Amino acid sequence: DQQVKQNSPSLSVQEGRISILNCDYTNSMFDYFLWYKKYPAEGPTFLISISSIKDKNEDGRFTVFLNKSAKHLSLHIVPSQPGDSAVYFCAASVQGAQKLVFGQGTRLTINP
Amino acid sequence: NAGVTQTPKFRVLKTGQSMTLLCAQDMNHEYMYWYRQDPGMGLRLIHYSVGEGTTAKGEVPDGYNVSRLKKQNFLLGLESAAPSQTSVYFCASSYSPIAYEQYFGPGTRLTVT
Repeated sequence: DQQVKQNSPSLSVQEGRISILNCDYTNSMFDYFLWYKKYPAEGPTFLISISSIKDKNEDGRFTVFLNKSAKHLSLHIVPSQPGDSAVYFCAASVQGAQKLVFGQGTRLTINP
Repeated sequence: NAGVTQTPKFRVLKTGQSMTLLCAQDMNHEYMYWYRQDPGMGLRLIHYSVGEGTTAKGEVPDGYNVSRLKKQNFLLGLESAAPSQTSVYFCASSYSPIAYEQYFGPGTRLTVT
């Protein structure tokens, strides 16, 4: 039972354009969502997060949008840069649950 | 400040052998986690600890044991390795369950033949 789903295994975007990564979840109890970025042979690193009381959070080139009614979140990267090429994981948590549930990941490739 | 470190980085085991993966963090974090990453499966939680001397099962605990004898260390043991345990293992730590951000180590690539 995959509670957090990233249905696109890969995404290719031209440098300078917008990258949009999507994530769906099934557990309505999730109240905090995070995006992690992972380069090959390294551990994931935290990128940006959003609480369920918000519908948008922005940090520089990265913006996360949350649509609670659709149980959907997305990560927008604009403009996309070659260094953004990585695997992106979304994750979700229930307050007090002390653990995260991760999606399968989406491999983003930024083409020059 | 090394953050989260993992030992070893690579290991090849034969079926039935045992081994222990070591995770250490120097951030004084209470919470520590062990994940495995497999193609198409994302990161799945094996076991976690909410403080020294405590452990709890995650999503895929079978075949693994853990211990948290010291706050800074979290050990993952495989008593009798199986080919299905071939994976990349990540350790992570966090300050508290409210601070949801987790800090990850570089990973251990384990192959069981």
